[in-house]
Amino acid sequence: DADVTQTPRNRITKTGKRIMLECSQTKGHDRMYWYRQDPGLGLRLIYYSFDVKDINKGEISDGYSVSRQAQAKFSLSLESAIPNQTALYFCATSDPDRGDNEQFFGPGTRLTVL
Amino acid sequence: GQNIDQPTEMTATEGAIVQINCTYQTSGFNGLFWYQQHAGEAPTFLSYNVLDGLEEKGRFSSFLSRSKGYSYLLLKELQMKDSASYLCAVPYGGATNKLIFGTGTLLAVQP
Repeated sequence: DADVTQTPRNRITKTGKRIMLECSQTKGHDRMYWYRQDPGLGLRLIYYSFDVKDINKGEISDGYSVSRQAQAKFSLSLESAIPNQTALYFCATSDPDRGDNEQFFGPGTRLTVL
Repeated sequence: GQNIDQPTEMTATEGAIVQINCTYQTSGFNGLFWYQQHAGEAPTFLSYNVLDGLEEKGRFSSFLSRSKGYSYLLLKELQMKDSASYLCAVPYGGATNKLIFGTGTLLAVQP
């Protein structure tokens, strides 16, 4: 079974709709991250969380919000989707305190906003 | 600020060796990561260099020079399945473990 899972894997929605992307992990890691990936721009950090009570904005948080419901779950919401939020979204986890410096990525969610 | 530069694309031949370069600028260096990403898939971890020098891991090796702000990933005995994007990333923000990624180098391995 995958350590980091994301749902849905693909989503097509319309401008103005509210969308939630979900991420779950079984690695027991404290730190979780949301990125988006666009062609030619690489991965960019949207939000990150060190534990349930610690949530921080990344480089490009405008238009997004997050919720850390439990250590294992970190959700990303688009309150009112717009076409330039069309991208590939990745969730990731890490735990440097346990020696896992690298980030482990989920399979991604491909979001299209029409 | 932080900045990472990598070539956009490279082409190499099956069985050959290829070197993918990465230059970076960051305050408070805390290591450098290489990831492999096949099209439409998740990035997967390849290597993490903290000290200067070459680290070998099977067909893949990674080199770091902190004084030059430079790293490279060396792929030997190239296989068709090595066709992918290779992402260079450095942590920033002190202990936050946030990563800034380069835009990636798309490697095409030809028969």
